Amino acid sequence: ETGVTQTPRHLVMGMTNKKSLKCEQHLGHNAMYWYKQSAKKPLELMFVYSLEERVENNSVPSRFSPECPNSSHLFLHLHTLQPEDSALYLCASSQDLGGNSEAFFGQGTRLTVV
Amino acid sequence: RKEVEQDPGPFNVPEGATVAFNCTYSNSASQSFFWYRQDCRKEPKLLMSVYSSGNEDGRFTAQLNKASQYVSLLIRDSQPSDSATYLCASGGAGSYQLTFGKGTKLSVIP
Repeated sequence: ETGVTQTPRHLVMGMTNKKSLKCEQHLGHNAMYWYKQSAKKPLELMFVYSLEERVENNSVPSRFSPECPNSSHLFLHLHTLQPEDSALYLCASSQDLGGNSEAFFGQGTRLTVV
Repeated sequence: RKEVEQDPGPFNVPEGATVAFNCTYSNSASQSFFWYRQDCRKEPKLLMSVYSSGNEDGRFTAQLNKASQYVSLLIRDSQPSDSATYLCASGGAGSYQLTFGKGTKLSVIP
């Protein structure tokens, strides 16, 4: 059983749709992250939250909108996406910020934009 | 400028071989290093942390060379089940995040 769960596991959406990705961590961690993984590219950090506060936004287009209602839940709201946004979206959590503690990943949502 | 670099491979080795991967990092202030394993279409999973004194876990040994700014992973007696992509990550140094390399793909052939 993973300490970080993501839903849905797979998502196909049209460019005019609105959808949301959900992440929940059961580890009591203070930091949560959204990463994007595209083919042949390294993991790209999108957003960082610490204790429900967003601390970093890596120049992500506004068609991606994160939400962190509490320290164990993280959402990624999607609207008017482009085909190039198709990728594996991974949620992760770590005990603290700063990269000194290891990150634990959810199983990811494989997103296809048609 | 790439912050964490890895040879993408693939490394195709016979079962029982010893294989080593290196990962170089550009931020000399990085303090934490990790190796992750990622199977095809799955999420990365932590394999081991790398501390200044190195780390060994069974057939896996990780070393850190701060002077040359690289991290290594050695796999002894490799097994087909070791076939995966191995991601290197560095962190600390005032950053909020871990920075990942693209990964090195390993195939162990029975």
